Amino acid sequence: NAGVTQTPKFRVLKTGQSMTLLCAQDMNHEYMYWYRQDPGMGLRLIHYSVGEGTTAKGEVPDGYNVSRLKKQNFLLGLESAAPSQTSVYFCASSRQGVAQHFGDGTRLSIL
Amino acid sequence: AQTVTQSQPEMSVQEAETVTLSCTYDTSESDYYLFWYKQPPSRQMILVIRQEAYKQQNATENRFSVNFQKAAKSFSLKISDSQLGDAAMYFCAYRSFQGAQKLVFGQGTRLTINP
Repeated sequence: NAGVTQTPKFRVLKTGQSMTLLCAQDMNHEYMYWYRQDPGMGLRLIHYSVGEGTTAKGEVPDGYNVSRLKKQNFLLGLESAAPSQTSVYFCASSRQGVAQHFGDGTRLSIL
Repeated sequence: AQTVTQSQPEMSVQEAETVTLSCTYDTSESDYYLFWYKQPPSRQMILVIRQEAYKQQNATENRFSVNFQKAAKSFSLKISDSQLGDAAMYFCAYRSFQGAQKLVFGQGTRLTINP
């Protein structure tokens, strides 16, 4: 009963490096989301997807790209990491009328 | 755009007592959902309780209940018989009834339980 799985759980990058965070869900949910959580703030939406092959910008999309090639996977990419992107990243999934299920988060540090 | 405000950055309560966490929101929509999520030190986001705006009855889940005041745009969480395991960050969140089901979160309230 995995739910939402995020990979990796922790990563340290150097400024300018690139990386991809993977989110996988096994609940056949249509909607998937990427949030970031910074100290003293609630979660803020980066990008989201309402179905396979679709993506849309959230509140804080700059510096990130996403892809949803398969219904169960939602990838978050950082092309050129910056220290301001140091954060905890959460993936979530849901379907109409259902509360969002969250992954356990990825702690990303950019030096 | 909708906003959610939690005006209490920190709260503390004695074990076995009752505590209320405040949340206000701003929206022009008439149909929506409101949620309280708990985030313990393990960092997981755990759904505590949910309220549909069209329901007048306040939601209850065991020791957790809400006071939903639609006209005042207020959504407080009451935790009865507080337990040590209730210590966590609590986030209030808003979601539109239609559309992409996106959540808008408040800033969070850190709850400490004193033994």
